[in-house]
Amino acid sequence: SQTIHQWPATLVQPVGSPLSLECTVEGTSNPNLYWYRQAAGRGLQLLFYSVGIGQISSEVPQNLSASRPQDRQFILSSKKLLLSDSGFYLCAWRGESNEQFFGPGTRLTVL
Amino acid sequence: AQRVTQPEKLLSVFKGAPVELKCNYSYSGSPELFWYVQYSRQRLQLLLRHISRESIKGFTADLNKGETSFHLKKPFAQEEDSAMYYCALKEAYKYIFGTGTRLKVLA
Repeated sequence: SQTIHQWPATLVQPVGSPLSLECTVEGTSNPNLYWYRQAAGRGLQLLFYSVGIGQISSEVPQNLSASRPQDRQFILSSKKLLLSDSGFYLCAWRGESNEQFFGPGTRLTVL
Repeated sequence: AQRVTQPEKLLSVFKGAPVELKCNYSYSGSPELFWYVQYSRQRLQLLLRHISRESIKGFTADLNKGETSFHLKKPFAQEEDSAMYYCALKEAYKYIFGTGTRLKVLA
């Protein structure tokens, strides 16, 4: 069966520091992968999606970037974190019936 | 632009009362809609999708193209239904989520 992992689960970083969040999927090949930010009162905001290795589509211009170095690996990065980058970050992949399967999330706090 | 609107941030009902979580969308084509649920300390997960026309945990949702709505309904709420609910619209490779409604079922 397919599983999706994210790490770390929680992260506290100072303003101006770099960021790297990792997401990996098991049990499927060539998945469509997604990064979301979940904020109270704002729902899920799609940040990036990828339909294949090296292919990234950005939905919201911001301080973040994404990369897909391997088929089942999706990375969310920043060179210099801002206070506004704090939030709960979710990785997801698209199933065969177009449903989204979500990872456990990473709680990022920027101080 | 495509949008999904969930007008209620919080909905409180008593156990045994009917529940309706509202979702309205704007989409120029034929929509593909979903409801997702997030229980406390659990992952966000699919509840149901309009294509399958199924009932999950007593919940149903009917697509009304004339009113561009996809409201989630349950005739008798249970305490374990308390959770955050999101309506979502699939557009090509992307998914557009509403802001969510927190459902609280009171004893």
